Amino acid sequence: DAKTTQPPSMDCAEGRAANLPCNHSTISGNEYVYWYRQIHSQGPQYIIHGLKNNETNEMASLIITEDRKSSTLILPHATLRDTAVYYCIVRVAGGGNKLTFGTGTQLKVEL
Amino acid sequence: DTGVSQDPRHKITKRGQNVTFRCDPISEHNRLYWYRQTLGQGPEFLTYFQNEAQLEKSRLLSDRFSAERPKGSFSTLEIQRTEQGDSAMYLCASSFDGSGAYEQYFGPGTRLTVT
Repeated sequence: DAKTTQPPSMDCAEGRAANLPCNHSTISGNEYVYWYRQIHSQGPQYIIHGLKNNETNEMASLIITEDRKSSTLILPHATLRDTAVYYCIVRVAGGGNKLTFGTGTQLKVEL
Repeated sequence: DTGVSQDPRHKITKRGQNVTFRCDPISEHNRLYWYRQTLGQGPEFLTYFQNEAQLEKSRLLSDRFSAERPKGSFSTLEIQRTEQGDSAMYLCASSFDGSGAYEQYFGPGTRLTVT
């Protein structure tokens, strides 16, 4: 699976959009981009995934660049409950599909 | 609640003792995964099952660790002769083996402290 690079930490004001970047310059054509988050002392929570096209669900939007070498997770209206570590993961669909976590981005949402 | 459950949530044991953790996946999920997470790090893959078959084991899974999923439903992870380095959060996840990309759903974890 391709390696990802994320900033170690980010701050965001409550009610504003949080834009979390991820670089995955070695991504292969059959690899998906996944985002998970982990609130303190809880298990990771699936947020969203995509292959080529931008995706949106009730939690977030995922913007993938045309060359697929980077992506951005957007939380449109961040709240204090969105404070968590956000992990960007690249993996191939099919097979064992184990997730390879990095150290992620610690997002702190403040008043 | 129909999510992934783990038991116990916390376990304190003395070095050299054996411990066993249980994971109950989401009922229709046929894949089950175990991960370990130490402080400040992301979760690390240990092993996974498809139904009752254990299909992959990480090099992190030493011979003191054994995992089972006897009937393709719940799973147990046993650590024999625990060491202080085994102190970590042990996470279980499950997924459905369908077509396309399928997400994993995690349980709350079991925090192990070896004294």
